[in-house]
Amino acid sequence: AQTVTQSQPEMSVQEAETVTLSCTYDTSESDYYLFWYKQPPSRQMILVIRQEAYKQQNATENRFSVNFQKAAKSFSLKISDSQLGDAAMYFCAYRSVALNSYGGSQGNLIFGKGTKLSVKP
Amino acid sequence: DAGVIQSPRHEVTEMGQEVTLRCKPISGHNSLFWYRQTMMRGLELLIYFNNNVPIDDSGMPEDRFSAKMPNASFSTLKIQPSEPRDSAVYFCASSFRGRGAFFGQGTRLTVV
Repeated sequence: AQTVTQSQPEMSVQEAETVTLSCTYDTSESDYYLFWYKQPPSRQMILVIRQEAYKQQNATENRFSVNFQKAAKSFSLKISDSQLGDAAMYFCAYRSVALNSYGGSQGNLIFGKGTKLSVKP
Repeated sequence: DAGVIQSPRHEVTEMGQEVTLRCKPISGHNSLFWYRQTMMRGLELLIYFNNNVPIDDSGMPEDRFSAKMPNASFSTLKIQPSEPRDSAVYFCASSFRGRGAFFGQGTRLTVV
């Protein structure tokens, strides 16, 4: 079974600075998807960024980028120019890409325990 | 697109009562997930459906929990009878293949 581990329960960053959140995962599959989700105090789960394992290029979405190291099974999130609105829980997630007989993705969406990010003004 | 719609947003009920949570996924999405979130246990997957068929319900805590997806645009999660330990935020999410799951705003359930 796949597992996702976020080893940093809490992180803090100064406004305008850069912070990196860590995520590691365990899988025997060669193809899969990885995601970072943000959950602000409003509790809404927001998809931040997505990475396909077969793509070597790291995904980027504005101030958010990932460092995907497939061999190390590592998927870290870098937030540049941190803003007060970035304060939230951040969850790393994994999903298998294999299709089942129903035409949908084989595996469920597995989450890490989350990292609480604080942004200091 | 309206996104994933969950109802109700908040539910307070007495122990022993039946609770039904509802979810309307994003049109065209073929996977639907039900999650439960608590401070102690984090985000737990309860069940997920592909093309309206339950694929993995190993996360359903016990027989008091049941979920249905009668068609592609509607799903329910039912708890009967409810207990105080069921108090949590319940999320529904939908996705199309690997394009990431989109979450509803959640239902905060309080069982007293």
